[in-house]
Amino acid sequence: KQEVTQIPAALSVPEGENLVLNCSFTDSAIYNLQWFRQDPGKGLTSLLLIQSSQREQTSGRLNASLDKSSGRSTLYIAASQPGDSATYLCAVNGFGNEKLTFGTGTRLTIIP
Amino acid sequence: GAGVSQSPSNKVTEKGKDVELRCDPISGHTALYWYRQSLGQGLEFLIYFQGNSAPDKSGLPSDRFSAERTGGSVSTLTIQRTQQEDSAVYLCASSPRGLGDTQYFGPGTRLTVL
Repeated sequence: KQEVTQIPAALSVPEGENLVLNCSFTDSAIYNLQWFRQDPGKGLTSLLLIQSSQREQTSGRLNASLDKSSGRSTLYIAASQPGDSATYLCAVNGFGNEKLTFGTGTRLTIIP
Repeated sequence: GAGVSQSPSNKVTEKGKDVELRCDPISGHTALYWYRQSLGQGLEFLIYFQGNSAPDKSGLPSDRFSAERTGGSVSTLTIQRTQQEDSAVYLCASSPRGLGDTQYFGPGTRLTVL
């Protein structure tokens, strides 16, 4: 059974700093991995999707990497802003099924 | 364009009552998913629809839960004889083809069972 872990559970950093969020998964037989953000009381917004054959994806100040063999992904946020404050979730899509298995999330707070 | 919509946004019900939650996916998306987000369990998969294929119901927690998708579009999640442990946010998502495509989520329905 796939298990997805995100550490730390919460992170506070001053505005302007670069930061890294971590995600690990136990079964490396994945189809892809997605990073989402969730604002309080809202649904999920997809940030980046990395296919299993890819090493990284970039969108603006966000860069996600994937090391499938070691079961790890990182989300790098450059020049953090208060608007980046949210909960960040990673989720993996396994082969042979369509469901996403989610991590428990990292609650990020950017301090102005 | 319009995203995934869900209704109602909030639902308060009494233990033992039945509830229906609705999801309108993005037009043209063939795949539709239901997830549940609760404090103790995080985000869990419930059920997946793809076109006219039989749905993947492997995540439904009990036979009190059922879902249907009519005409390949709107979906309804029904919870019968609700229990307090059913209290959670129920999220719906759709994707263009399934097959590992990006999933687009609705805002969710917050269900509270008293």
